[in-house]
Amino acid sequence: GQQVMQIPQYQHVQEGEDFTTYCNSSTTLSNIQWYKQRPGGHPVFLIQLVKSGEVKKQKRLTFQFGEAKKNSSLHITATQTTDVGTYFCAGQTGANNLFFGTGTRLTVIP
Amino acid sequence: EAQVTQNPRYLITVTGKKLTVTCSQNMNHEYMSWYRQDPGLGLRQIYYSMNVEVTDKGDVPEGYKVSRKEKRNFPLILESPSPNQTSLYFCASSPAGQGQTQYFGPGTRLLVL
Repeated sequence: GQQVMQIPQYQHVQEGEDFTTYCNSSTTLSNIQWYKQRPGGHPVFLIQLVKSGEVKKQKRLTFQFGEAKKNSSLHITATQTTDVGTYFCAGQTGANNLFFGTGTRLTVIP
Repeated sequence: EAQVTQNPRYLITVTGKKLTVTCSQNMNHEYMSWYRQDPGLGLRQIYYSMNVEVTDKGDVPEGYKVSRKEKRNFPLILESPSPNQTSLYFCASSPAGQGQTQYFGPGTRLLVL
């Protein structure tokens, strides 16, 4: 069953505001991946975090992996309309177990 | 161009009528998988394949079959579709497993009446 919880399910922000989505796992993850799905599109890989406490940045996006490797977050600074979409985390718990979170749908109001 | 293709992209069918959704990748990836996406439930894995002739069940395999006779193709078969299989289906591939980047196909939207 579902082992990776993601919140919030929806987020509406004014353009220029920040946005954060959180993922939590009941078990320790070997790694976590983040994907973005534009409306009507397919998930597209953004990044993978492997190390405890790891922080990675991609322009306005900051990804963090918790010290215990059970949680992760994606933070977007100063959102733009191009950031609209659903953001998914996907945690791997074993060799063949990759569990996707339920996703956070981001709406950016111009 | 490196890509994962799925066909058909849209399908309306009736309960019990067997159907196959094809998936093909041109990246020589060993690992392929199928997901279904439903509102509020995210992406749930149906089946995956680590290599040719090697397949295994994911989270929600009931009502589905797969085969991996060639490395590039991984068709999803619904022997007797039911309305609860109405969903958006994605095929994905990666070089060598779930610990690597998953490349998703464009999706197949299925409606079972």
